[in-house]
Parts: sequence; C-alpha cells; structure tokens
Amino acid sequence: DAKTTQPTSMDCAEGRAANLPCNHSTISGNEYVYWYRQIHSQGPQYIIHGLKNNETNEMASLIITEDRKSSTLILPHATLRDTAVYYCIVRPRFGNEKLTFGTGTRLTIIP
Amino acid sequence: DTGVSQNPRHKITKRGQNVTFRCDPISEHNRLYWYRQTLGQGPEFLTYFQNEAQLEKSRLLSDRFSAERPKGSFSTLEIQRTEQGDSAMYLCASTPPPRERSSYEQYFGPGTRLTVT
Repeated sequence: DAKTTQPTSMDCAEGRAANLPCNHSTISGNEYVYWYRQIHSQGPQYIIHGLKNNETNEMASLIITEDRKSSTLILPHATLRDTAVYYCIVRPRFGNEKLTFGTGTRLTIIP
Repeated sequence: DTGVSQNPRHKITKRGQNVTFRCDPISEHNRLYWYRQTLGQGPEFLTYFQNEAQLEKSRLLSDRFSAERPKGSFSTLEIQRTEQGDSAMYLCASTPPPRERSSYEQYFGPGTRLTVT
C-alpha cells in the first residue's frame, strides 16, 4: 500500500473549520484515500473515503488534488468532540483488506 | 457503539501466562480483522477472516499467537506464554459482504487492553 505522511499534531479553535492535510505521493490508480479517526480509549471510526473526486458526508469533506498526490480532510465546524487522532490511509478498493495505519495527526480542538 | 463487542475490556496477566480475547462482530458481517495498537502508534494489522477462513496473517503474528473463527461468527485471539512486549490494545473490526453499501467501512470494537506484568 502507498505510504502517507501527516503532520504529527494540529490545533483548531472550536467552531472553526479544521483542515487536516495528507500526502500520498506514491498512490496508484486503483487506490482510494480513506480517513479514520480514533477518539481516546475508543476504536477507530470511519469518516470518509474517495478515489479522485471530492466527497462530502455528514461528518466531513474530502478534497483530493487533481494529481491525487495529496488530500485534505475538512471538518467544517469543529467541536470539542472532534478532538482525536486522525489517520489518512491509502488502500485498494478490492483485494487488500487490511488497513495500514500510520501515526496520524493528533487534532486538538481548543475552546 | 459500533455494534462490535470485545471481551474482556481489560486484562492484566503475569508473564508466561496464556490469555484469550473474544470478539463478537456485527451480525452478518462476514469479514473480521484483528489489530494490535501500542502506545503512541496506529493500529497494526494482525489477521483477517472471511467467514471461518483465515485468509491473511501478519508477520507480527508469531507462533505464540493464534486466532480462530470456528463458525464464522465470533472470533478468539489467544496469546500463549505472554511477554511484556505483548502489552497493547487488541482491536477487532468487522465488515459486511462486498454487496452491501457499507462494505468499504471497517467497524471497530472498543478493544481489549492487555497488560503483561
């Protein structure tokens, strides 16, 4: 699976948009970008995924650059409950079932 | 609560003892995964089942580790002769069959935290 690079930590003020970047310069054509988050003492939680188009769901938006070498997860109105470690993962749609987590970005929402 | 349950939630054991953890996936999820997570690191894949068949095992899964899913429902992970380096959070996840809409999503349980003294 392609390797991803994320900042170790970020802060964001409550109510503001949190923008979490991820680099995946070795991504291949059949690999999707997935985002999971892990709130303290809980298992990881799926947020969103995409191939090449921007995606939005009730939790977040995912912006993937045209060359697909990087992406940004956007939490539009961050709340204190969004404090968590956010993992960007690149994974084929089929064939390789496992998720390969890095160390992620520790996002702290500040009141 | 994702619907994936793990028991026990915490386990403290002495070095050299055997431990067994249980994972109950969401009903009708045919795929089940085990991961291990140490402090400050992301989860690391251990093994994967499709129904009762164990289809992939990580090199992390030494011969002291064994996982089963005998009837394609719940799964157990056993660690024999535990070592202090086995101290970690053991996470289980499940996924519905590929034809389901949410088949791309792994649903994680709360984990079992193992401490080996």
